[in-house]
Amino acid sequence: QKEVEQNSGPLSVPEGAIASLNCTYSDRGSQSFFWYRQYSGKSPELIMSIYSNGDKEDGRFTAQLNKASQYVSLLIRDSQPSDSATYLCAVKKDSTLTFGKGTMLLVSP
Amino acid sequence: KAGVTQTPRYLIKTRGQQVTLSCSPISGHRSVSWYQQTPGQGLQFLFEYFSETQRNKGNFPGRFSGRQFSNSRSEMNVSTLELGDSALYLCASSWEGTYNEQFFGPGTRLTVL
Repeated sequence: QKEVEQNSGPLSVPEGAIASLNCTYSDRGSQSFFWYRQYSGKSPELIMSIYSNGDKEDGRFTAQLNKASQYVSLLIRDSQPSDSATYLCAVKKDSTLTFGKGTMLLVSP
Repeated sequence: KAGVTQTPRYLIKTRGQQVTLSCSPISGHRSVSWYQQTPGQGLQFLFEYFSETQRNKGNFPGRFSGRQFSNSRSEMNVSTLELGDSALYLCASSWEGTYNEQFFGPGTRLTVL
């Protein structure tokens, strides 16, 4: 059974802080990993993809992958109120994408 | 480059009716996936089409079906609608391949009364 687990939150951080979002997955054959951001009433928006162990940075976002521990994380530096959204972790094997239920992030001014 | 488009954006149907939703992928993308999103279950995979063939299917009843046309546009159909089918239906497109990223359309909000 493919599963992707995320803490539902909400995760509350003050503006300017680092937000840390975590995700674990059960299928060791998973091949690629993604983070999506979803604002209320909107569709998911891809913000990061990562395929190999280690860190990948893009602006204020850093994705981290540890395949041995079956763990993916997303760090958001200098968090802004506009980052308040639900963050979805997604894991891909072959052509199928499996999503976690998301972590709600609240950034207070 | 235009994004994924979905029509209609909103639909209201009654139990027992059927509905067809349409998705146009990003130009050049040949893979189209469909998802159902509800507050309780989150995003659940319905099926994926590539080159007019269903390549993968999620755990949904046979009332849910789809197809893909030669221009990569896709439709999904739900027959004999139930109240529990009320959801946001999302389409996502990507290039071929395991590592390729999926990009979502705005979704179709279906309400079944």
